[in-house]
Amino acid sequence: DSGVTQTPKHLITATGQRVTLRCSPRSGDLSVYWYQQSLDQGLQFLIQYYNGEERAKGNILERFSAQQFPDLHSELNLSSLELGDSALYFCASSAPFGGGSTDTQYFGPGTRLTVL
Amino acid sequence: ELKVEQNPLFLSMQEGKNYTIYCNYSTTSDRLYWYRQDPGKSLESLFVLLSNGAVKQEGRLMASLDTKARLSTLHITAAVHDLSATYFCAVGGIDKLIFGTGTRLQVFP
Repeated sequence: DSGVTQTPKHLITATGQRVTLRCSPRSGDLSVYWYQQSLDQGLQFLIQYYNGEERAKGNILERFSAQQFPDLHSELNLSSLELGDSALYFCASSAPFGGGSTDTQYFGPGTRLTVL
Repeated sequence: ELKVEQNPLFLSMQEGKNYTIYCNYSTTSDRLYWYRQDPGKSLESLFVLLSNGAVKQEGRLMASLDTKARLSTLHITAAVHDLSATYFCAVGGIDKLIFGTGTRLQVFP
């Protein structure tokens, strides 16, 4: 158990809908990352937040957005869902920068999204 | 754009044998990570390699890094069934990780 929690574990929805995925980082971690894993695209970085602010952006669609709240939990919002958005969505967290940290990212159990 | 390639993509090996998974990356990077993923599960951190020549070992797995060749290897010694999983290398720094395609390892008796 990495200490990163994600809810829900599974989500089944229809095309055109909107969903919210939630992530709580490990205690003390300030960075949260979101990744998408699919058979055709592999593991892709979406976005990173550090202490409430967006820090890095990857291949995140405009229909997707995220935020990190003052208590450091994060939410990934996916809207106007398409069949191709079906994937496993992982959240990861890492310790504050510096202080000997190796910046290892610890992954949560993931949310499996199925769009029908 | 940073690209990370792994080979082989699939590896079927007999228990007790040795093998190596290779990870090549295209541009200089701060650090390299190895992760393990069991089917339908999360990614588990195995190693982080921070400098040229770094070598880390845990049980039957040993990882090394050659930053000049932009190459990392994950060596499996005397494989056992419990090592069956998909192994990913990932390259990055403090902002994101770029993952390789993964190597699916199956160990059979």
